[in-house]
Amino acid sequence: EVQLVESGGGLVQPGGSLRLSCAASGFTFSNYWMHWVRQAPGKGLVWVSRIRSDGSMTNYADSVKGRFTISRDNAKNTLQLQMNSLRAEDTAVYYCVREGAYADFDYWGQGTLVTVSS
Amino acid sequence: QSALTQPPSASGSPGQSVTISCTGTSSDVGGYNYVSWYQQHPGKAPKLMIYDVNKRPSGVPDRFSGSKSGNTASLTVSGLQAEDEADYYCCSYAGSNSRPYVFGTGTKVTVL
Repeated sequence: EVQLVESGGGLVQPGGSLRLSCAASGFTFSNYWMHWVRQAPGKGLVWVSRIRSDGSMTNYADSVKGRFTISRDNAKNTLQLQMNSLRAEDTAVYYCVREGAYADFDYWGQGTLVTVSS
Repeated sequence: QSALTQPPSASGSPGQSVTISCTGTSSDVGGYNYVSWYQQHPGKAPKLMIYDVNKRPSGVPDRFSGSKSGNTASLTVSGLQAEDEADYYCCSYAGSNSRPYVFGTGTKVTVL
């Protein structure tokens, strides 16, 4: 059974940093592109970042470029998102998501809440 | 970076059908046959319901179907059931590295 379990969310002050992690199991992690998608309270889904299966390519939404860094450890089956210079508008549930074979998102974690507030 | 446009709400009685539209541009929905749909119940993670415009993952009832014409994709839920009440989001591949995927604004489906 495919499982994606996020951790690392919490309350952080504006300008602060937070590191999210996602533990993957039940599939060959190193074969899949992985993504982070976020959802602000009461709002819709927004794509944040992706990383190629071997970690050689990363992409970011313009809203987080230069502040967030996605990375992965295929030996440990983990995905990370380092978030720096956090802003109030980064407040959201962050989902770890696996990309399927048809440019879809076939498995989602349960999400971890990041709250940026003083 | 505009989201795909969906109606805020849709509703139907049990057993009826409801169709949700998802309008984009030639740079996303119209340019690729990579449209997917997600169902999200309150407090839960989204679930893939349709991929590749009109394909259903294993386990998704055949009451759910997808289609696309030009820059607009659609999700139809036939034979509405109480458990279909949820938020639905479309998503399209958009090709660019800074915007490879774009989601829709979301539609709240209510079963009357």
